[in-house]
Amino acid sequence: DAGVTQSPTHLIKTRGQQVTLRCSPKSGHDTVSWYQQALGQGPQFIFQYYEEEERQRGNFPDRFSGHQFPNYSSELNVNALLLGDSALYLCASSLGQQPQHFGDGTRLSIL
Amino acid sequence: AQSVTQLGSHVSVSEGALVLLRCNYSSSVPPYLFWYVQYPNQGLQLLLKYTSAATLVKGINGFEAEFKKSETSFHLTKPSAHMSDAAEYFCAVSPPNQAGTALIFGKGTTLSVSS
Repeated sequence: DAGVTQSPTHLIKTRGQQVTLRCSPKSGHDTVSWYQQALGQGPQFIFQYYEEEERQRGNFPDRFSGHQFPNYSSELNVNALLLGDSALYLCASSLGQQPQHFGDGTRLSIL
Repeated sequence: AQSVTQLGSHVSVSEGALVLLRCNYSSSVPPYLFWYVQYPNQGLQLLLKYTSAATLVKGINGFEAEFKKSETSFHLTKPSAHMSDAAEYFCAVSPPNQAGTALIFGKGTTLSVSS
């Protein structure tokens, strides 16, 4: 049973560029959440998708957007990249009130 | 608003010693509480969760945590540390009855285990 899978594992971009990160949820899960984890910090909630709609959003600017597809997979898009966007981006999936399961993340470096 | 405070950014123990990682929460109502572990270059793995049932919660790898409402605490313990326990540990909180919604994490505690 595959868990949460994220791609790519590593990514290097330059300031001002745009990036798309991808996530496939654990089998049977219908909800996807995205978190940003800066170096030495705990993860911070970006947003959550359920039934292809953004259900909940954290304190992140509009440069951060997402999408959920009918097969429950999800994308995180970040526009106009800043140096401060360098972080590990974690995807988590869940079903109902069950705890969230996390993927191994995408390490994004901005030059 | 909910928040989580993890006391001690770094804890060092000897192999076989007691592990105690501290977590205090702030919430107007008793929340759901979680402990996650993160190994280098990996995502987060759920160790255990408190969802308003038994106050003493047993998790994987010999870890357990006790919910103490009077102290607003949810400290993580393990009787005997193993070298493989060295990792980053995060305490997290969600509103009650909403375990699948946004988690609020503490800043983490790095556990080092020496032989």
